[in-house]
Amino acid sequence: DIQMTQSPSSLSASVGDRVTITCRASQSISSSLNWFQQKPGKAPKLLIYAASSLQSGVPSRFSGSGSGTDFTLTINSLQPEDFATYYCQQSFSIPITFGQGTRLEIK
Amino acid sequence: VQLVESGGGVVQPGRSLRLSCVSSGFTFSSFGMHWVRQAPGKGLEWVAFIWYDGSKKNYADSVKGRFTVSRDNSKNTLYLQMNSLRAEDTAVYYCARDPPGAQGARHSYNFDYWGQGILVTVSS
Repeated sequence: DIQMTQSPSSLSASVGDRVTITCRASQSISSSLNWFQQKPGKAPKLLIYAASSLQSGVPSRFSGSGSGTDFTLTINSLQPEDFATYYCQQSFSIPITFGQGTRLEIK
Repeated sequence: VQLVESGGGVVQPGRSLRLSCVSSGFTFSSFGMHWVRQAPGKGLEWVAFIWYDGSKKNYADSVKGRFTVSRDNSKNTLYLQMNSLRAEDTAVYYCARDPPGAQGARHSYNFDYWGQGILVTVSS
């Protein structure tokens, strides 16, 4: 199975900040990496697919990059609604696996 | 696009439960579908995937042999039959749609739309 490791596990930031979350795969997954945002009590929401493609309707302050084993999610100019938990997920092979999540909190 | 799960609740260890996910707003028979779960306070865990026509299915090792995914395209409905339930199966269960992949691939192993989730609690 492909292991996905996110860092950091939690992060404190202020409105207007730029933040970066990292995801590392235990083996190469090409660009088969997706990012989700989840708020308490809600279903996850797809933000970025194929490592760097922005899902329709997602604000452009979200961006993704990387390929192979190392990926990043960047949020520019944090907004109050961005404080949530973020998950990476590999879509390269079955079983599909997720990172453990990064909790983004208000400083 | 709307996905609505039902069938959750409290069940004793060793018993069975069947979840349903009714879809609307898209051509259900053209999309693969997944079940994903989330234990209380924990991260996301993929559970099962079924092809658009039901011809192929995949399962996480943690549920293989106990859970069965199926679909009825005439009813726009996805199912998850859960047998021999254990305490560690306690979670919110989500159904999710698998969008087409790049270069005409039928499936992408991604999740573009999710249901609201349904809680399954396994407890005596």
